[in-house]
Amino acid sequence: KAGVTQTPRYLIKTRGQQVTLSCSPISGHRSVSWYQQTPGQGLQFLFEYFSETQRNKGNFPGRFSGRQFSNSRSEMNVSTLELGDSALYLCASSLAGTYRTFFGPGTRLTVL
Amino acid sequence: AQTVTQSQPEMSVQEAETVTLSCTYDTSESDYYLFWYKQPPSRQMILVIRQEAYKQQNATENRFSVNFQKAAKSFSLKISDSQLGDAAMYFCAYSHYSNSGNTPLVFGKGTRLSVIA
Repeated sequence: KAGVTQTPRYLIKTRGQQVTLSCSPISGHRSVSWYQQTPGQGLQFLFEYFSETQRNKGNFPGRFSGRQFSNSRSEMNVSTLELGDSALYLCASSLAGTYRTFFGPGTRLTVL
Repeated sequence: AQTVTQSQPEMSVQEAETVTLSCTYDTSESDYYLFWYKQPPSRQMILVIRQEAYKQQNATENRFSVNFQKAAKSFSLKISDSQLGDAAMYFCAYSHYSNSGNTPLVFGKGTRLSVIA
């Protein structure tokens, strides 16, 4: 069974631009979560989607948004990029009723 | 709010030796899960081991085992017979069940483990 996939793997943007990251969960997983990883703040939860509905949301500004499609694929969008948004963005999926979360390889976003 | 603390930013171990990584957490929940994740230089987060709080028996996965002390809110990871491939960042994480499903993972800051040949 294929793992969690994320595209693109690397991205370079400039301040003020917007970006969309994509995540395909493991087949059958309906829960998709996003995390931001930076050297200073560590791993921080962004949001979680389950069956196309946002179920949990972390403490991030409204510039960060996401959505989930009927096939469980998820996208996250960051508008008006700031230098501090440079990070590794990790997507994770899990099967309902389990405590096993599987992570994708991440998207490395660099904001110049 | 739940917190996870890893007090050792860096650790090193000789190949074939044993090393223990520390983790403490804070929660008011009684039913929760604790995890150790490994993140090698490739950045792929891999689940190493999981412990259910209601289980008294410590979890083991091959060379990896935990020492779960619920009263002390301590959850350490022991790696036996360390191998070069064990070199990575190790994150301790917490989650518990809520009415809307599993809560998001709360991670510690991580411990960078080096394995010396």
